[in-house]
Amino acid sequence: EAAVTQSPRNKVAVTGGKVTLSCNQTNNHNNMYWYRQDTGHGLRLIHYSYGAGSTEKGDIPDGYKASRPSQENFSLILELATPSQTSVYFCASARGAETLYFGSGTRLTVL
Amino acid sequence: AQSVTQPDARVTVSEGASLQLRCKYSYFGTPYLFWYVQYPRQGLQLLLKYYPGDPVVQGVNGFEAEFSKSNSSFHLRKASVHWSDWAVYFCAVSIQGGSAKLIFGEGTKLTVSS
Repeated sequence: EAAVTQSPRNKVAVTGGKVTLSCNQTNNHNNMYWYRQDTGHGLRLIHYSYGAGSTEKGDIPDGYKASRPSQENFSLILELATPSQTSVYFCASARGAETLYFGSGTRLTVL
Repeated sequence: AQSVTQPDARVTVSEGASLQLRCKYSYFGTPYLFWYVQYPRQGLQLLLKYYPGDPVVQGVNGFEAEFSKSNSSFHLRKASVHWSDWAVYFCAVSIQGGSAKLIFGEGTKLTVSS
């Protein structure tokens, strides 16, 4: 069965600190995505990738970087975390134009 | 611009009653539409998807949805709700014609009463 694993499950960070959220998928899917979920906004796309070495900006990329070092791994990086980035972050993978498979989420609190 | 609107933030139905969750989309061209469900403390899971063709699509656990081009809608239905359907439901549209790059609605939280 498809599996997308996110770490950590919960994270508390300080304003101005660097935060890295990790995502690993065992589906051998080409495409991976990072979304954030906020009340009143649903899910919004931050960055995505079509394969190892590629990253693309989504709808709300400001303040975030992404890294796809391999087919399996896709990281979201907050170089200078701010309280407005407090949210729940979801990683997802897809083979192409098919179903998104989501991880269980990372709850990030920036104090 | 492409968008998805779910006009009902919260819906409560009795167990065994029928259900309709509303979704309106704005998209230039042929939309590819999806319903995802999020159970407590979990990621989203696909319920069903519409690719151009038959306007009524069947999903898992007895869910179905009907696409209407004239109404720009993709409402989700279920004939008889079970307590295990208690969850948040998201409607989404593909913004690259069938790609997995989606725009999501705000979600509808379904509560099932006994």
